[in-house]
Amino acid sequence: NAGVTQTPKFRVLKTGQSMTLLCAQDMNHEYMYWYRQDPGMGLRLIHYSVGEGTTAKGEVPDGYNVSRLKKQNFLLGLESAAPSQTSVYFCASSRARDRKNIQYFGAGTRLSVL
Amino acid sequence: GDSVTQMEGPVTLSEEAFLTINCTYTATGYPSLFWYVQYPGEGLQLLLKATKADDKGSNKGFEATYRKETTSFHLEKGSVQVSDSAVYFCALSTHAGGTSYGKLTFGQGTILTVHP
Repeated sequence: NAGVTQTPKFRVLKTGQSMTLLCAQDMNHEYMYWYRQDPGMGLRLIHYSVGEGTTAKGEVPDGYNVSRLKKQNFLLGLESAAPSQTSVYFCASSRARDRKNIQYFGAGTRLSVL
Repeated sequence: GDSVTQMEGPVTLSEEAFLTINCTYTATGYPSLFWYVQYPGEGLQLLLKATKADDKGSNKGFEATYRKETTSFHLEKGSVQVSDSAVYFCALSTHAGGTSYGKLTFGQGTILTVHP
């Protein structure tokens, strides 16, 4: 069982370039999330989705866009990358009826913006 | 708003030493509390959880008790191993009204290194 799979694992961008991070889950979870992890700051929620075709802003959404066209996939886009977006990005998913909100995480994407 | 504060790291211990990582929280209502662990090069994994006051979560020799009176959820292990070297995150979850979606709020993480 693969769980949550993120691609790519590493990426280096130049300022102004665009890219899309892909997250796929095979657990039939309704909810999906994108976080960024920065030293000394824990994980901060960028965007989340409570179902196919729906997305919402999290704590730090500026500079990112997301789409959830299929239940199993959640895409994070950077239209014009900035050095401040250098970070490790994690995708997570959870079941809608799980009030404990246990989230399952991917292995992360390490992004450097030069 | 909700917040989680963890003890400053990094923490360096010898094998078989006792471990405590402090975690305190601020939240409205009755949050669920979690410890997640991140091994080198991997994503976060749920280590243990507690959903109400006085609950004790336990897994792999780690324990944490939900203390509502002190708003704490300290992580403990009686005898650490080299394989426990990782980053540990305390987190809480509250629920938006009328939905089962819960926002996870993380502490800043504590790096644990265990030497042989």
